[in-house]
Amino acid sequence: EAGVAQSPRYKIIEKRQSVAFWCNPISGHATLYWYQQILGQGPKLLIQFQNNGVVDDSQLPKDRFSAERLKGVDSTLKIQPAKLEDSAVYLCASSYYLNTEAFFGQGTRLTVV
Amino acid sequence: QQQVKQSPQSLIVQKGGISIINCAYENTAFDYFPWYQQFPGKGPALLIAIRPDVSEKKEGRFTISFNKSAKQFSLHIMDSQPGDSATYFCAASIIQGAQKLVFGQGTRLTINP
Repeated sequence: EAGVAQSPRYKIIEKRQSVAFWCNPISGHATLYWYQQILGQGPKLLIQFQNNGVVDDSQLPKDRFSAERLKGVDSTLKIQPAKLEDSAVYLCASSYYLNTEAFFGQGTRLTVV
Repeated sequence: QQQVKQSPQSLIVQKGGISIINCAYENTAFDYFPWYQQFPGKGPALLIAIRPDVSEKKEGRFTISFNKSAKQFSLHIMDSQPGDSATYFCAASIIQGAQKLVFGQGTRLTINP
């Protein structure tokens, strides 16, 4: 079974630029999560989708972050404009359904300079 | 009240020794407590999880001890091996409804050969 795929693996941008991350969950997984992991901290949930609907986006900085999951499969997370404090690893995870084990991708390491 | 506090931040154990990592939570509604293992450059992977209806769960060399009255749980790694060197995160969530995992700050474990 293929795991959660994320791209790119690394990204370096200047502050105020925009960036987008892509995630392809495990086939058949209805629930998709985006987490932000700042160096030395645990992952923090940004947004959770159930199919193509948003379940929880309470911790998503909506003035600069946006995410979509068209057709209930792939998802993109966008930051516009980026700030220095957005430097982190962005992890995508998926699960078969709510309340089951979540499988994480390798993440995208974003550096904002 | 959504926080999960983890200690220690870092831990060095000799090969064959016992590694112990502790977590504490405030929200009594939490009813699912997983531990994740993360190697450098990889996403977190589920190691072992426990529900509050049991006080201990063992899988191989890994054991979770759970104290509901104290709102604490811990991970014990018996016969620690160099391959166990990684960052460990405890987490908590509420099973009913959205599985929003709240992570601890992480413990960097080093097993010396």
